[in-house]
Amino acid sequence: GENVEQHPSTLSVQEGDSAVIKCTYSDSASNYFPWYKQELGKGSQLIIDIRSNVGEKKDQRIAVTLNKTAKHFSLHITETQPEDSAVYFCAAKVERNGTASKLTFGTGTRLQVTL
Amino acid sequence: DGGITQSPKYLFRKEGQNVTLSCEQNLNHDAMYWYRQDPGQGLRLIYYSQIVNDFQKGDIAEGYSVSREKKESFPLTVTSAQKNPTAFYLCASSHPGTGILDGNQPQHFGDGTRLSIL
Repeated sequence: GENVEQHPSTLSVQEGDSAVIKCTYSDSASNYFPWYKQELGKGSQLIIDIRSNVGEKKDQRIAVTLNKTAKHFSLHITETQPEDSAVYFCAAKVERNGTASKLTFGTGTRLQVTL
Repeated sequence: DGGITQSPKYLFRKEGQNVTLSCEQNLNHDAMYWYRQDPGQGLRLIYYSQIVNDFQKGDIAEGYSVSREKKESFPLTVTSAQKNPTAFYLCASSHPGTGILDGNQPQHFGDGTRLSIL
């Protein structure tokens, strides 16, 4: 089955700096890679996703890159702000016709943005 | 606004007791999921359901049971057979995939239920 590894487990950056979180996956058939943000006591919120037909996707201060050959994908947050502080989870799955997809999650990265 | 509602937010279980966690969605999604989150671990899939009256075991189904009598509802029962039930439980929903490059909806999550043992 799929195995997703996520690094680092904790990350501390100063406000305004960039943050990068990396994930690797094992199943070369995986073709959908979402990132979730989890704030204390709340459920996870999808913040960005990427499919295997593109190598990079950007949404304002957040971007995700995908390297299919190396089987890794990364979340990039630029100009970090205190409200970016949260736990971030990466995930991977294989999307198939007519089948509910099962996500495999990474272990999470606790991002702390300091003033 | 559409969304997923989980209740209660906090739940306490006594030894030998079954408890049921509620999950309701008004997103008209066919597929629903239950995940468990433990400190330092990624979300692990307990059960999932692709359609009403159908559900499948996930990776850690032992000690849990579910039902899917209505499209909107997917309750999870934590039975007394689950020896380590203390965790944060998240419910999610999505449309089933209809193609690799189409608008398959990513999973949407509820706010979670934190279950503890008395």
